[in-house]
Amino acid sequence: GAGVSQSPSNKVTEKGKDVELRCDPISGHTALYWYRQSLGQGLEFLIYFQGNSAPDKSGLPSDRFSAERTGGSVSTLTIQRTQQEDSAVYLCASSSQGANTEAFFGQGTRLTVV
Amino acid sequence: GENVEQHPSTLSVQEGDSAVIKCTYSDSASNYFPWYKQELGKGPQLIIDIRSNVGEKKDQRIAVTLNKTAKHFSLHITETQPEDSAVYFCAASKNTGGFKTIFGAGTRLFVKA
Repeated sequence: GAGVSQSPSNKVTEKGKDVELRCDPISGHTALYWYRQSLGQGLEFLIYFQGNSAPDKSGLPSDRFSAERTGGSVSTLTIQRTQQEDSAVYLCASSSQGANTEAFFGQGTRLTVV
Repeated sequence: GENVEQHPSTLSVQEGDSAVIKCTYSDSASNYFPWYKQELGKGPQLIIDIRSNVGEKKDQRIAVTLNKTAKHFSLHITETQPEDSAVYFCAASKNTGGFKTIFGAGTRLFVKA
C-alpha cells in the first residue's frame, strides 16, 4: 500500500480480554514504532523495531504488552488481560534507514476497554 | 536517557499572528529534528525537518531554527490560519545507538478567526 495501514481502526473489548492490533508498514521500511496516545495527550513510546536488531521494548508499560514483527514487515501489538486504563489510540509508524528519516504514521487503532 | 522537552503545551493565537513552539533535547549526538502536525482523528504527519548541519530552514509560512550549542530548536508559523489549528510534535534522533526517534509531549495550537 501507499502508506502505513493499521487494523482495526476501532476496537471495543471487555476488561480482561486479550486484543491484537496490527500494523502494515510501508514496504521496505526497516524501522517500525508503536506509540500510545491517550485522549489529548502526547505520544507515549512503546516499542521500536529496527531491521534484524533486538527490539527496544523499554516503553512497554507492563508485561501484559508485547509486540512482534514477523519477517521484518507486519507487526502485531498484543495486550493481554486488558484494563480500562489501556483505552487509548495506538499509533504505528515506520521509517526507512533508521530514525534519521521521516516517520510515516498510520491512522491508529482506537481501543476502548469497557 | 534521551529526552525532548516541548513548550508550551497549549498555545492560542489570533489569525494572522505568529506562533512559536520551542523544544530542547538532551542528547548532544542528535542530528535530525523533525516536526509533525497531528489533526483531529489522524496520525501525525511531517511538516518540516532540519538536520544538524544547518541552523535554519524555511518552507512558505513555516520555519525551523536550530541552536546546537544550546540544544534547542523552534518552530515558527507566520500569518497563522484557522487550518493551522492542530497538535504539533517536535522530535530528535541520531544515526547511532539504535536510531530511535524521541518525541516531545506536543503543543496544542488554537488559531482564532
